[in-house]
Amino acid sequence: EAQVTQNPRYLITVTGKKLTVTCSQNMNHEYMSWYRQDPGLGLRQIYYSMNVEVTDKGDVPEGYKVSRKEKRNFPLILESPSPNQTSLYFCASSLNVGGEQFFGPGTRLTVL
Amino acid sequence: EDQVTQSPEALRLQEGESSSLNCSYTVSGLRGLFWYRQDPGKGPEFLFTLYSAGEEKEKERLKATLTKKESFLHITAPKPEDSATYLCAVRTDAGGTSYGKLTFGQGTILTVHP
Repeated sequence: EAQVTQNPRYLITVTGKKLTVTCSQNMNHEYMSWYRQDPGLGLRQIYYSMNVEVTDKGDVPEGYKVSRKEKRNFPLILESPSPNQTSLYFCASSLNVGGEQFFGPGTRLTVL
Repeated sequence: EDQVTQSPEALRLQEGESSSLNCSYTVSGLRGLFWYRQDPGKGPEFLFTLYSAGEEKEKERLKATLTKKESFLHITAPKPEDSATYLCAVRTDAGGTSYGKLTFGQGTILTVHP
């Protein structure tokens, strides 16, 4: 089944404890992206990747890192999480930059 | 800075009562406007892509249209299962690799009562 998977789905952590949210797609898509969704602010793009080893900042990249070493994986790294990064995170992928995006199920992160 | 504004924020309809959702945008060099549907607790699901003014696309009870400044999502004779949040997003050409950037509106929460 064609899908985008994210892990973990739920995470509660404390300020400053490094964490990684994994994202994987099995559709051989070139484009992948991370978003956060907050009430009243909608979906905001954090980082995106046009292809392996090519990443670029979205609208809210501060406090996040990404890497794209393989086509299928696009992990989101929070080196030192803070409470303002408590949010619902979505990973998405598409065949190319202009294509329809397939979204993962979301990761709900709480930083205490 | 690219801006995308959706209205209304929330819309309540009776089953069968047709209406439209609006997505207005202020961007430099539109490379595509996307509509997505999001059900509670789930990731957005793709509906349409529009590329140029005058373009229209249809899918079941939904029809998306595009002008130079806005897009409409028309819902004809809606059913309760059409209840969801509808999101629009734009991709623009700002040079370099920034055309990979996607800006979303805040969404319209649609509730269709039986």
